[in-house]
Amino acid sequence: DQQVKQNSPSLSVQEGRISILNCDYTNSMFDYFLWYKKYPAEGPTFLISISSIKDKNEDGRFTVFLNKSAKHLSLHIVPSQPGDSAVYFCAASAFQGAQKLVFGQGTRLTINP
Amino acid sequence: EAQVTQNPRYLITVTGKKLTVTCSQNMNHEYMSWYRQDPGLGLRQIYYSMNVEVTDKGDVPEGYKVSRKEKRNFPLILESPSPNQTSLYFCASEPSGNTGELFFGEGSRLTVL
Repeated sequence: DQQVKQNSPSLSVQEGRISILNCDYTNSMFDYFLWYKKYPAEGPTFLISISSIKDKNEDGRFTVFLNKSAKHLSLHIVPSQPGDSAVYFCAASAFQGAQKLVFGQGTRLTINP
Repeated sequence: EAQVTQNPRYLITVTGKKLTVTCSQNMNHEYMSWYRQDPGLGLRQIYYSMNVEVTDKGDVPEGYKVSRKEKRNFPLILESPSPNQTSLYFCASEPSGNTGELFFGEGSRLTVL
């Protein structure tokens, strides 16, 4: 039972364009959402988060949007850069904490020059 | 440098031979956890620890043990490894404050023959 789903295993985007990574969840108790980025041979690193009381959070080129009614969140990267090529995981928890953080399957983003 | 250190990074072993993957963090974090990453399944939590001598099961604890005798260390023990425990393992820690923002180690790739 995958409570957090990233239905696109991979995504390819031209450098300079917008990258949009999607994530769906099923548990209506989730109220805190995060995105992590992972390079090969490294551990994931925290990228950006959003609380369920918000519908948008920005940090530089990265923006996360939350649609609670659709149980959907997305990560926008604008403009995309070659260094953004990585695997992106979305994660969710039922309270703001890592104790029961549930991760999606990941989406491999490739930025083409 | 703030970091989470895992050892070994790579290990090939045989079924039934007990092994321990060590994890140490130098950030004085109270919370630590173990995840495994498998293709198509993302990151799944094995065990977590809220503080010294406090551990709890995650989503996939079968076949694993942990201990938290000191704040900085959180070893993962496979008493009798089986081939289905072949995976990429990540240790993580979180600063107090329940941000959900985990600091991950670089990963330990384990192969059980």
